[in-house]
Amino acid sequence: DTAVSQTPKYLVTQMGNDKSIKCEQNLGHDTMYWYKQDSKKFLKIMFSYNNKELIINETVPNRFSPKSPDKAHLNLHINSLELGDSAVYFCASSVRGARTGELFFGEGSRLTVL
Amino acid sequence: ILNVEQSPQSLHVQEGDSTNFTCSFPSSNFYALHWYRWETAKSPEALFVMTLNGDEKKKGRISATLNTKEGYSYLYIKGSQPEDSATYLCALGRRGTALIFGKGTTLSVSS
Repeated sequence: DTAVSQTPKYLVTQMGNDKSIKCEQNLGHDTMYWYKQDSKKFLKIMFSYNNKELIINETVPNRFSPKSPDKAHLNLHINSLELGDSAVYFCASSVRGARTGELFFGEGSRLTVL
Repeated sequence: ILNVEQSPQSLHVQEGDSTNFTCSFPSSNFYALHWYRWETAKSPEALFVMTLNGDEKKKGRISATLNTKEGYSYLYIKGSQPEDSATYLCALGRRGTALIFGKGTTLSVSS
């Protein structure tokens, strides 16, 4: 079983559309994250949720809205997609509060906006 | 702006060579330093998490050290193999924030 799974893996869409990426983890972790990998492969934090509660919200456009229906799921909804939104989005989870707190990543979702 | 710097950006070695990379970070409010291995077309996987000044961790041919007072960590690979080819990321953990990643060192090992 995949520990952290994201769907879809690939998403090609037109500018202006609204799309969602789903993430699920079966590790029993309390905390989930969305990271964006930019064109230079740099991983940048977007959001972090702990037990369905938003705890970190970096400077991300309002068009991006995370939703956590339960602590095993963290979905990312993007409104009015723009060309610059094209990137690979990684979901991750960790045990919050543990000093180790290593991240377990999903395989990434490559979004291409045309 | 909080910067986690990694050097070199890329490195090419021959099979059997030993190599090392550097991760530099601001030492204030330090919580943990992570190293991840990221192979092409896969997702990053944790190698080490270090929390104490002077920590040394080892996994097979790979080891890491930590100096929180001066703000750096080294990752060493002994006897590099082609399967070690990957991007190695370090990430800084500070209390109350998510991990902040460096841009990585991309290692290529030729047989």
